[in-house]
Amino acid sequence: QSALTQPPSVSGSPGQSVTISCTGTSSDVGSYNRVSWYQQPPGTAPKLMVFEVSNRPSGVPDRFSGSKSGNTASLTISGLQAEDEADYYCNSYTSSSTFVFGTGTKVTVL
Amino acid sequence: QVQLVESGGGVVQPGRSLRLSCAASGFTFNKHAIHWVRQAPGKGLEWVAQIWSDGINQYHADSVKGRFTFSRDNSKNTVYLQMDSLRPEDTALYYCARDGQQALPYTMDIWGQGTTVTVSS
Repeated sequence: QSALTQPPSVSGSPGQSVTISCTGTSSDVGSYNRVSWYQQPPGTAPKLMVFEVSNRPSGVPDRFSGSKSGNTASLTISGLQAEDEADYYCNSYTSSSTFVFGTGTKVTVL
Repeated sequence: QVQLVESGGGVVQPGRSLRLSCAASGFTFNKHAIHWVRQAPGKGLEWVAQIWSDGINQYHADSVKGRFTFSRDNSKNTVYLQMDSLRPEDTALYYCARDGQQALPYTMDIWGQGTTVTVSS
């Protein structure tokens, strides 16, 4: 199972929006609405930000939103804040009943 | 509070074995599957395995097939990862994470802080 493909980095100024893409295949992202997103600031454990493509767990700001089209899922951070600077990973359930992470994207707030 | 604590990491020579533990507290352990996820130094997250609440159903990545085995003891609220025939590429920070189950399906909603495994001669 190959890792899902994410851009290595994205950046934006405070208040702007950034979008991170996550491209898989018809065996994972394309087949299931079981895509989640995780935020990992440096030196810390990952934190769940979005599940089932577009749902937010309790406590996650509504600035974080998810979507999916075909084999590509996306995470959008609106109203970018300094505290959003971190690595972000997508994750998908697969047709083999396993899970696969994306390659990771570093978000920089300029 | 809801918590997962990993232990058992260390430095080991290639070809040797190591057993990691993941101790849970603050929630009904036998209602949740547990995932193992690893992160090599400076690299991204890699999903390793999921062990269901019954301890019988489990799924794992091809990269650890035949070398890593997974178990759990629900009476001790603990999950184990037995790593055999270790390779330098197994060097990583190993996290255990709780499966979100019905509330947060197909997710890892609670994470431990990880335990470091270094495979080196």
